[in-house]
Amino acid sequence: KNQVEQSPQSLIILEGKNCTLQCNYTVSPFSNLRWYKQDTGRGPVSLTIMTFSENTKSNGRYTATLDADTKQSSLHITASQLSDSASYICVGRGNYQLIWGAGTKLIIKP
Amino acid sequence: GAVVSQHPSWVICKSGTSVKIECRSLDFQATTMFWYRQFPKQSLMLMATSNEGSKATYEQGVEKDKFLINHASLTLSTLTVTSAHPEDSSFYICSARVGLAGGHEQFFGPGTRLTVL
Repeated sequence: KNQVEQSPQSLIILEGKNCTLQCNYTVSPFSNLRWYKQDTGRGPVSLTIMTFSENTKSNGRYTATLDADTKQSSLHITASQLSDSASYICVGRGNYQLIWGAGTKLIIKP
Repeated sequence: GAVVSQHPSWVICKSGTSVKIECRSLDFQATTMFWYRQFPKQSLMLMATSNEGSKATYEQGVEKDKFLINHASLTLSTLTVTSAHPEDSSFYICSARVGLAGGHEQFFGPGTRLTVL
């Protein structure tokens, strides 16, 4: 069964700190893995897209990793800002379909 | 580029009425658009895939007669929630697929908050 599991479900950190969000996926056939940022009451915005041959990809302060052997991905946020408060969703792409994780709700406190 | 808009951004209606939500790709043409629904504290759930000029493909459990989808042009898809009830209250998000080098990408609209009283 195709599924994407994320942890933690929610996370609170202080502004300026780093954090890492985890994603375990079972998607077959596997095409790529995406991380989206979704602000409250808004649509998702793509952060990174990684194929199985890519181990790491950065987008500003966001760095995603992918281990195709263990089927795990992580999203690392450095020097967090208040605007990083959002839900971060891991999505696996299989054959013409997206498998959505439940998301990690991140709260940055001043 | 690749901006997707939705209208309205929020709507409140009485039970039994119908509500139409528009999804537009502003600076590109999209032969395929998707409609999602998101309940509080849950992730997006795909409702249907909308192809320009043809009937939409609905996911299992989504009533096609209740959620009418029309994709009459390459830049506009509409979702009509017919005879809305309180349980239809949700956040509806559309996305448009665009071809890029190496594959496709989906760009999401800002969502429409529907509240049925």
